[in-house]
Amino acid sequence: AQKITQTQPGMFVQEKEAVTLDCTYDTSDPSYGLFWYKQPSSGEMIFLIYQGSYDQQNATEGRYSLNFQKARKSANLVISASQLGDSAMYFCAMREGPNTGNQFYFGTGTSLTVIP
Amino acid sequence: GAVVSQHPSRVICKSGTSVKIECRSLDFQATTMFWYRQFPKKSLMLMATSNEGSKATYEQGVEKDKFLINHASLTLSTLTVTSAHPEDSSFYICSARDNRDQPQHFGDGTRLSIL
Repeated sequence: AQKITQTQPGMFVQEKEAVTLDCTYDTSDPSYGLFWYKQPSSGEMIFLIYQGSYDQQNATEGRYSLNFQKARKSANLVISASQLGDSAMYFCAMREGPNTGNQFYFGTGTSLTVIP
Repeated sequence: GAVVSQHPSRVICKSGTSVKIECRSLDFQATTMFWYRQFPKKSLMLMATSNEGSKATYEQGVEKDKFLINHASLTLSTLTVTSAHPEDSSFYICSARDNRDQPQHFGDGTRLSIL
């Protein structure tokens, strides 16, 4: 089974609108962390936001927020007030806890295009 | 913030040569470093995980004799692609973390092109 699933290969959003990028995960480890990375055309990976499995509140970082629904095993990224510079590839990732070797898994990514 | 420097950013070389890629953590101790390979339109593939002072753990299907990884210090890991061939052409990314509670910080990647 896929550890991280991103079902949206491509998304479009109007500038200044909000957009949600979906991510579901699969793990039996009670301790895990969820990440979102942005990868612009240059290829670098930019860390955006992190959510720990024991965190009670949803993580927020500026215009980024993570809609963490533990029971559904989903960790959707919400980008508010989209900007043209947000156009990029976005990867959801999960790191499992020490019981399972701290393995790191990435999703296949979602390509976001912001339309002016 | 934490910075990981990866060098070179781009390399073009002839088939049969060996290429070394460096990954340095600039302002934190990288206890663990990871090497990824990116395929077009696909996610990053984890190639190997290395802990400082220990042998790297390679993922299934990754040839350890082909992709030599050294992590001799807390700030430096190297990936050497030995006897590179055109099929090794790809985008290679390293990442590092201080400890298990910290997120990984990624390098900018190395675009390797083998002619």
